[in-house]
Amino acid sequence: QKEVEQNSGPLSVPEGAIASLNCTYSDRVSQSFFWYRQYSGKSPELIMSIYSNGDKEDGRFTAQLNKASQYVSLLIRDSQPSDSATYLCAVTSGTYKYIFGTGTRLKVLA
Amino acid sequence: NAGVTQTPKFQVLKTGQSMTLQCAQDMNHNSMYWYRQDPGMGLRLIYYSASEGTTDKGEVPNGYNVSRLNKREFSLRLESAAPSQTSVYFCASSQTSGGAYGTDTQYFGPGTRLTVL
Repeated sequence: QKEVEQNSGPLSVPEGAIASLNCTYSDRVSQSFFWYRQYSGKSPELIMSIYSNGDKEDGRFTAQLNKASQYVSLLIRDSQPSDSATYLCAVTSGTYKYIFGTGTRLKVLA
Repeated sequence: NAGVTQTPKFQVLKTGQSMTLQCAQDMNHNSMYWYRQDPGMGLRLIYYSASEGTTDKGEVPNGYNVSRLNKREFSLRLESAAPSQTSVYFCASSQTSGGAYGTDTQYFGPGTRLTVL
C-alpha cells in the first residue's frame, strides 16, 4: 500500500464547476498536510496547508482534513481553465520525511 | 526575494561524467532538501539538511552526495552519472523540518532537467 494515494486522473470538470481532489494516507501519526499545484514543466507551488480536522478556506480553495479516516481533500470552486494542472498531496509526521502522492491531473474544460 | 533558485536549468551528461547541481534560498530557512521527480513515481527525497552543518540520507541517496555550504546553499553532486539518474531534480527549503505547524511548509525551486546518455 502506498503511503499517500491519489487518483491519477485525469479529472475533467467544466468551467465554473467544483473540482474535488482526494488523498488518503497510511501513517496515523501524520501531522501536516499540504496541497501543491504543478503545471507541466514547472515546480510544485503551495496552494494550501492544513493541520487540524475540519475545513480551511482560502479564496476558491477549500482543504478538508479527516484524521480519523486518514483522508484529506481539496475543493476548487468556480474552476477555471487556468486551474488545469497536476495537484500533489503531501503529508509529514513532523520530521524531515515528507511523503508525496503521485498527483491527480485536473482538466478544466472551457 | 528570489525564493529558491537552482542552476543549471538543463543539463545533458554522458555516462560516467560528474556534475554538481546548485541550490540557494534567500528566505533564511533552516532546512533544505533535494528531490527527484520521475513519471509515475512522484517526488522522492534524495538528501536533506535539517540545519546548517547537518545532512542526512533520504529515500534514494545512492549515487549522490550533498554539501550544505552555508545556511543559504545546498548542493547535490553526481560523481559518476548513470542513465538511471535521468530525472527532474528539485531543491526545496522550509523554515523547519517539522514539529512546528506552519513552519514546515516546503518551497520549491524551478528544477533542473538532467539527461544522462
